Amino acid sequence: AQRVTQPEKLLSVFKGAPVELKCNYSYSGSPELFWYVQYSRQRLQLLLRHISRESIKGFTADLNKGETSFHLKKPFAQEEDSAMYYCALNGGSQGNLIFGKGTKLSVKP
Amino acid sequence: DGGITQSPKYLFRKEGQNVTLSCEQNLNHDAMYWYRQDPGQGLRLIYYSQIVNDFQKGDIAEGYSVSREKKESFPLTVTSAQKNPTAFYLCASSIAAGTGHYGYTFGSGTRLTVV
Repeated sequence: AQRVTQPEKLLSVFKGAPVELKCNYSYSGSPELFWYVQYSRQRLQLLLRHISRESIKGFTADLNKGETSFHLKKPFAQEEDSAMYYCALNGGSQGNLIFGKGTKLSVKP
Repeated sequence: DGGITQSPKYLFRKEGQNVTLSCEQNLNHDAMYWYRQDPGQGLRLIYYSQIVNDFQKGDIAEGYSVSREKKESFPLTVTSAQKNPTAFYLCASSIAAGTGHYGYTFGSGTRLTVV
């Protein structure tokens, strides 16, 4: 079954510390994975996608097919990074995204 | 200014009442989606539509209905059969089904409360 798992509901770090938000997936084909972010009182928005191998706002994510993971990383967290983060998997030909339950990142000053 | 507009922002429903949530997009996207967002549950797919006059049930379609008469519009009706309708509802669109690598564009959501 297709599934996205984000094991941490809440992650709290101090400003300047490294941060890693975990995402594991279950998918039989070649996965397309995304990270979405929802800042307070803002709409859910695309942060990055594995296919473009980009770095957005200092965040990167590498697809590890062996470990079926797509962890989101940033070397130095900022207070403005505090938000809800969702990992998502393209579920196939229908184009539906399957979302994890989300991780709330809190960056303390 | 392109985007997705959901209305209303807040909606209150009485027991036994049907209510309709609006979702309009001017992005010329073919595919549209409705998700329900509950604390600790993430986003769960209610219905999706890949093309005008066609739609499919998602994971939690019971108690909901949709229509797709126009490319720009994908309204969601929450019927009295939905036992626990209080939630935050998100509408999204994408260029086309099967091109998920472009990702979704989301609306700002409607918060529905049963009173």
